[in-house]
Formats: sequence, structure tokens, C-alpha cells
Amino acid sequence: DGGITQSPKYLFRKEGQNVTLSCEQNLNHDAMYWYRQDPGQGLRLIYYSQIVNDFQKGDIAEGYSVSREKKESFPLTVTSAQKNPTAFYLCASSAAAESNQPQHFGDGTRLSIL
Amino acid sequence: QKEVEQNSGPLSVPEGAIASLNCTYSDRGSQSFFWYRQYSGKSPELIMSIYSNGDKEDGRFTAQLNKASQYVSLLIRDSQPSDSATYLCAVAGSARQLTFGSGTQLTVLP
Repeated sequence: DGGITQSPKYLFRKEGQNVTLSCEQNLNHDAMYWYRQDPGQGLRLIYYSQIVNDFQKGDIAEGYSVSREKKESFPLTVTSAQKNPTAFYLCASSAAAESNQPQHFGDGTRLSIL
Repeated sequence: QKEVEQNSGPLSVPEGAIASLNCTYSDRGSQSFFWYRQYSGKSPELIMSIYSNGDKEDGRFTAQLNKASQYVSLLIRDSQPSDSATYLCAVAGSARQLTFGSGTQLTVLP
């Protein structure tokens, strides 16, 4: 089945710990995105990548890091510098970074503080 | 400031009625508009996209776009309890990135 796979579904972070959220897609999409959603809020863009080995900061990149070493994979690391990491994290992809291409989402990862 | 505004609701309609969801945006350079449905605890699912002024129909859903008024709406005809969800409006502005509204919570009452 083609799609976007995020893992784990739930993740708990201890103080001072970095954690990495996985996002893999087999849709052959060029562009990938990471969003954060807080309760009752819309989605806010953390990072995006239009091509392998290249990525750009979104609106709320502080305390996060990403890599794009393979077309299929776009992992997100939540660093200890992110003081309020509890949120629903969503990975998305689109065929290209052109504005007319819709984005499709994975099932998300819920991150909580221990 | 690029913004996408939606009434947060909640919006309640009886089963079989038409639900009307509205969205306004501030970036006049916006070219692409999307509606996503998000069930509680789940990820957003694309239900409609619209790129030119006018109406676009897909089954029970109709998206309406008016670029002059910077307004996009979603109509759901013959609303069903399974339509109860939060509906997110997303706009691709001149920077080509999607900006999402905070969503409108819809409840369809049996």
C-alpha cells in the first residue's frame, strides 16, 4: 500500500532528552513536511524539504532538527532545547513543492513529557 | 501577516441539512486552496482542492472560491453523523507553503 508511515504512534520524552520521530513515504514524492498541532489549533510548519539533502525552516523550527538523506525518509528530532514539546506531530508529503500539489498526511506521533 | 481565519464553532446541524463552513485568507497572492477533514485523534484527510473562482463539486461536497473577496467555503449537503469532525482550511500563498486555519468543529445531530 502506498502511503506515509510515521512511528512511533506515541512517544514520551524525559527532561534533557532528544527524541527522533520517523517519517517514511513510498509515494515517490519529492516534498516532505513536518507540522505540529496543539489541542484546538491548526497545523504549524516546523521544517520542509523539497529535495534530498536540502531542507528549510518553517514557522516554528527552534528546538527541532531534520535530515533528508533519502527521498523516502524525513526524520524529525525534538531536541532538549524545545521546552514545550507536548503536541501531535504530523508528517506530510506532496508530489512536488508546487503550490497546486496537495499534501497528504501520515497518522501522526503524539509526544508527551514524562 | 499571512493568516487563514475560520470560525472555530462548534457548528451543529441536523442530519440531512446543509453544513456551510467558511474561511478567509489575507494573502492576495494565494493560488491553491484545500479543505481537510480531521476526526478526533486522527490526522487530516484531504477532501477538496480548488484553484479557480467558482464552485467545484465532488459528491456531497462543494467548494466555493472567491479570490476578489479572499473567501473560500465548503458546503456539505445531506449531512450525516459521520461528517462530524473538524474541517481545516489550508491556503497555499505566494511563498508556496500551506497555511492552515485553526479549524471549524462540525457536529451533525441524528
